[in-house]
Formats: sequence, structure tokens, C-alpha cells
Amino acid sequence: QQQVKQSPQSLIVQKGGISIINCAYENTAFDYFPWYQQFPGKGPALLIAIRPDVSEKKEGRFTISFNKSAKQFSLHIMDSQPGDSATYFCAASYYSGGGADGLTFGKGTHLIIQP
Amino acid sequence: DAGVIQSPRHEVTEMGQEVTLRCKPISGHNSLFWYRQTMMRGLELLIYFNNNVPIDDSGMPEDRFSAKMPNASFSTLKIQPSEPRDSAVYFCASSAQGAPNEKLFFGSGTQLSVL
Repeated sequence: QQQVKQSPQSLIVQKGGISIINCAYENTAFDYFPWYQQFPGKGPALLIAIRPDVSEKKEGRFTISFNKSAKQFSLHIMDSQPGDSATYFCAASYYSGGGADGLTFGKGTHLIIQP
Repeated sequence: DAGVIQSPRHEVTEMGQEVTLRCKPISGHNSLFWYRQTMMRGLELLIYFNNNVPIDDSGMPEDRFSAKMPNASFSTLKIQPSEPRDSAVYFCASSAQGAPNEKLFFGSGTQLSVL
């Protein structure tokens, strides 16, 4: 599996601030870039995803910015709330034609929103 | 929909013992994935199945690990013999085949501790 590098490892943001998490990938065949959110004791859950034909996707307070030439993408959480405190994983995959393929995950960012 | 169901939630065993983790995917989903999560390595894909057939097991760490999917509604991950370094959270996830890069639905995981 190709590597996906995620930073920072941990992040503390004040309530109402902007949380930014970055990821970089190597395999140019990747064509799907989701972000997953994980709360303690739970499995990861899909938050938002983007494909490389667009540079930005927004869903509510969550935005993915995608830079194909730099092979980087980032998650922005606007007006961060204490309920956003969780671990966030970026991921990447490509469709090989054989059906669903496994995602390659970054190592995660532990986000804490301080009230 | 009950989601992906994993059992047991917690497993404590002694080194050398056999461990079997179980997963029931979401009904109608054709793809099933086993992931392992540790602090050091993050989320690692161990193996995945499409239509009950193992597609890629390159992530299985050693021959001590084996996975089966005898039917569309059940899968097992077995470790024999278990070792302390196998201690981790093991996640099962499923997705619906038919389109590339389908959304993965994760179970709540099995916390495995090998003493």
C-alpha cells in the first residue's frame, strides 16, 4: 500500500476557531480522498470525501481543499466546537475495477476543541 | 439497520492462545474489510473480500493470521498462536459494491489484549 502522510499528530483549537489538518500522498493513481472521524470506543465514520477533479468541497462547517499538483489535501473545520473533538483520519484509494478496494489511511490527528 | 456488528468487544487472552474475532457486515454489502489499529501504526488494512472471495491479503502480518468469509453475512479473523504484539483494536468494515470507492461502514471494533 502507498503511504499517506498526515499532520499534525495532535491539535488543540479554541472553540470558534479553525481547525486545519493536512495530508500528502505519493501514488498519483489515487482518485478518492475521504476523511473519517472517530470518537473514543467507536469505529471511524465517513465525514466528507473529494475526488481530484475538483479543488474544494464543502459540507456545512467542513471543507476539503485539494491540490493535485502538490499531491496534498487538507480538512478545514470552521467554527470548531467541543463536539468536534475526535480523531480524524485522511485516506486515499483508487478503483482497480475489481470492486471496492481498501483505503490507505493516514495515522490520524487527535483534535481537541477547548471551550 | 444495525450496522456492522463485531464480537467480542473486548478480548483478553494469554500468549499462545487462539483468538477468533467475528464480524457481521451490513446486509446487502458485498465487500468486507479487516483493519487493525494501533497507536504506532494507525489503521492498517489486513485483508478484504469482495463477494466472499479474498482479494488482497498482503496486509496480513504473518501466517499466524487467517481470515474467512464463508457467506455474505459472516467473517472471522483468527490469530493462532497469539502474541503480545498482536494487541490492538481490530475493526471490520463493509461497503456496497457497484461503484468505485464506496463508503466504508466500520463496526465498533474488538479490543484485543494478549498478555
